[in-house]
Amino acid sequence: DAGVIQSPRHEVTEMGQEVTLRCKPISGHNSLFWYRQTMMRGLELLIYFNNNVPIDDSGMPEDRFSAKMPNASFSTLKIQPSEPRDSAVYFCASSNGARGTEAFFGQGTRLTVV
Amino acid sequence: AQTVTQSQPEMSVQEAETVTLSCTYDTSESDYYLFWYKQPPSRQMILVIRQEAYKQQNATENRFSVNFQKAAKSFSLKISDSQLGDAAMYFCAYRSAGSNYQLIWGAGTKLIIKP
Repeated sequence: DAGVIQSPRHEVTEMGQEVTLRCKPISGHNSLFWYRQTMMRGLELLIYFNNNVPIDDSGMPEDRFSAKMPNASFSTLKIQPSEPRDSAVYFCASSNGARGTEAFFGQGTRLTVV
Repeated sequence: AQTVTQSQPEMSVQEAETVTLSCTYDTSESDYYLFWYKQPPSRQMILVIRQEAYKQQNATENRFSVNFQKAAKSFSLKISDSQLGDAAMYFCAYRSAGSNYQLIWGAGTKLIIKP
């Protein structure tokens, strides 16, 4: 298995632009997570999907952030409009949801908003 | 609410020696899971070891082992025969057995391996 695949690996964009991050979870996994990592705040859970349905989006910082999971093999995290404070590493992770199983992480997208 | 504390921002160890990374947590639950993840400079989060709270036996994975003290709410990671490739950030994480998703993370410990 190729693991969780995220694209792009790096993204540099200007303030105000729309940014879309993509994730392909591990085949067969029914849980998907989007995390944000910064030096100041560490790892933060943004949103959690189970069977393609958003279960908990309480970590989404504001309305500028949105996430979708149209099918079991694809998810997007969109920021519109982007701001410099959105600069961070964004991780996607998936798990099979069974009791006690760990989450498998993608390699992350480093987003820089200038 | 559960919390996870890693009190060592940075640790260093000589190659081939043993190092222990500390993690304490706070919870009122009796059934939960604890994890150690490694994040090397490549950025990817990699699971190192997992412990089920209901198991008294400490988990081991090759050179990695844990000292799980449930009463003390302590979950330390021991790395034996340290190798240069072990250099990374190490994160301790907690997950309730009642929830299949919410991971509570520590702040991380940066491990430096001295050749």
